[in-house]
Amino acid sequence: AQRVTQPEKLLSVFKGAPVELKCNYSYSGSPELFWYVQYSRQRLQLLLRHISRESIKGFTADLNKGETSFHLKKPFAQEEDSAMYYCALRGNTGKLIFGQGTTLQVKP
Amino acid sequence: DTAVSQTPKYLVTQMGNDKSIKCEQNLGHDTMYWYKQDSKKFLKIMFSYNNKELIINETVPNRFSPKSPDKAHLNLHINSLELGDSAVYFCASSSAKTGVRGGYTFGSGTRLTVV
Repeated sequence: AQRVTQPEKLLSVFKGAPVELKCNYSYSGSPELFWYVQYSRQRLQLLLRHISRESIKGFTADLNKGETSFHLKKPFAQEEDSAMYYCALRGNTGKLIFGQGTTLQVKP
Repeated sequence: DTAVSQTPKYLVTQMGNDKSIKCEQNLGHDTMYWYKQDSKKFLKIMFSYNNKELIINETVPNRFSPKSPDKAHLNLHINSLELGDSAVYFCASSSAKTGVRGGYTFGSGTRLTVV
């Protein structure tokens, strides 16, 4: 079965601190993994996908197949990073399954 | 140019009413989706259409009926609205073509409040 788990509902850090948003997945094949961000009352926006191995707004995420994880990291958090972050998995059915979401709160 | 647009943005209605939400995408994608975001911000897929054909139908009450007149449009009609239907409904689209697959593009959401 496809499943995405984000264990933290809320992550609160101070500005300038490192951030790691955890994501673990369960999938028997080779999944595509994504991170989406939703700023307050806005649409979901694609932040990263593991295929691209890119860094967007200072965020990176590495797929660890051994640990079935795709954690999102940023070395120095900014106040404008405060938002809801969703990890998502897309299997061979094309369906995008989301984790429960983690609210990142960056305090000044 | 808005890639995925939904109307209305806000919808307040009484229990028992029937309402529709419209979605249009101008990205040339062949697959469209409806997601429901509940009060706990949990996102769950409801339906997916590929080239006007229903391909995903999650466990959703049959009061919800999607309609896709063409591959650029996917509307959601809800009959006999209930309090528990209050949520934000997001439309999304993607391409299923090999080599072009990637993330979904989401609309800005429709906040439905049933009173």
